[in-house]
Amino acid sequence: GAGVSQSPRYKVAKRGQDVALRCDPISGHVSLFWYQQALGQGPEFLTYFQNEAQLDKSGLPSDRFFAERPEGSVSTLKIQRTQQEDSAVYLCASSSYRDSGYTFGSGTRLTVV
Amino acid sequence: QKEVEQNSGPLSVPEGAIASLNCTYSDRGSQSFFWYRQYSGKSPELIMFIYSNGDKEDGRFTAQLNKASQYVSLLIRDSQPSDSATYLCAVKGGNYGGSQGNLIFGKGTKLSVKP
Repeated sequence: GAGVSQSPRYKVAKRGQDVALRCDPISGHVSLFWYQQALGQGPEFLTYFQNEAQLDKSGLPSDRFFAERPEGSVSTLKIQRTQQEDSAVYLCASSSYRDSGYTFGSGTRLTVV
Repeated sequence: QKEVEQNSGPLSVPEGAIASLNCTYSDRGSQSFFWYRQYSGKSPELIMFIYSNGDKEDGRFTAQLNKASQYVSLLIRDSQPSDSATYLCAVKGGNYGGSQGNLIFGKGTKLSVKP
């Protein structure tokens, strides 16, 4: 596609509920990143994929967070048993190779109530 | 010490003036540097990147890098009200927390250009 597409745009979850956030990167982009952005903060790195391989997941805040990219294109970020501190905007970005600037999607704003 | 530091602002400049945004980083091994613009409620948008010491110009924007001082800046000439946004400095390379190659962002500087 022309840009990075994320869905849903907004998600309200009750505490304890599981959520799945989807990212469809730019066609042909090898690298895919997930970031978390809290209000008034810069994006914080969560995880990185090169094709279908998850090469870095050091930023995932707990084992409740899980990401996958099984066919090397669409990626899903799953958060289990959501907590209020998970409320943030989740940004997906892709790039044609790792050492270049990223193109971000519009993000998913998650609110846990 | 935060790895990428920016003054959160707000930085207020009159229309037509030069806006100067600054960023320092902690890891001397950092290789590449990016400036993103983020409008309220929107996602970050890449403005410029710079890899080598010195200046890089693109239209009204100039990025400046000084690796010895671990300092990168963004100058916006002839500032317009439409430039009002948060500007995020991002750094790649080095060994931030063991995650080489991932973009590490500052908190951003909020710029307000007054008509």
